[in-house]
Amino acid sequence: AQTVTQSQPEMSVQEAETVTLSCTYDTSESDYYLFWYKQPPSRQMILVIRQEAYKQQNATENRFSVNFQKAAKSFSLKISDSQLGDAAMYFCAYPTSGTYKYIFGTGTRLKVLA
Amino acid sequence: GAVVSQHPSWVICKSGTSVKIECRSLDFQATTMFWYRQFPKQSLMLMATSNEGSKATYEQGVEKDKFLINHASLTLSTLTVTSAHPEDSSFYICSARRTSDISYEQYFGPGTRLTVT
Repeated sequence: AQTVTQSQPEMSVQEAETVTLSCTYDTSESDYYLFWYKQPPSRQMILVIRQEAYKQQNATENRFSVNFQKAAKSFSLKISDSQLGDAAMYFCAYPTSGTYKYIFGTGTRLKVLA
Repeated sequence: GAVVSQHPSWVICKSGTSVKIECRSLDFQATTMFWYRQFPKQSLMLMATSNEGSKATYEQGVEKDKFLINHASLTLSTLTVTSAHPEDSSFYICSARRTSDISYEQYFGPGTRLTVT
């Protein structure tokens, strides 16, 4: 069965510093997508970044980048130059093929300290 | 593009009554929509998958007679909580998958807070 694990319930980072949120997953598929979503206090889910498993290059979106290690089934999110607006819950998500359902991790609450 | 709306954003109802929550994809067609429930400080829990023109597929443990889902068109899915009780109070989120999208991305609505008194 596919699973997604986020082992850090809470993380803190100083403003302007860099933080890495971890995510590991388990699947027998060879081709798949992985997503990071952000849920701020408004509770609106916002896509942060997407990675396609067949692409060896790590995805990057401005200050957000991933370290995708397919063999290790690891998909960590790096936030550079952290801003107060980055404070949120971050969820790692794996969409199951065929049903398109997401398997979410338990989330990591990120606090940004001024 | 790819905006999903939910209505209402907040609803209070009395125990024993039913309440309907709408989920609309505003600028795209969505063959598949999903309904989630989220408790405070927890992850999203998938309740059911809604497919246009067919019966919803419910996750294990979700009462299909209590949580009625109808996906009547390519842009609208509704969740009706029947005979609501205080334990049904929660935050409900819908998402939609764009029919033409191959990336598996889901677009999320802003959520509906349900309080049952």
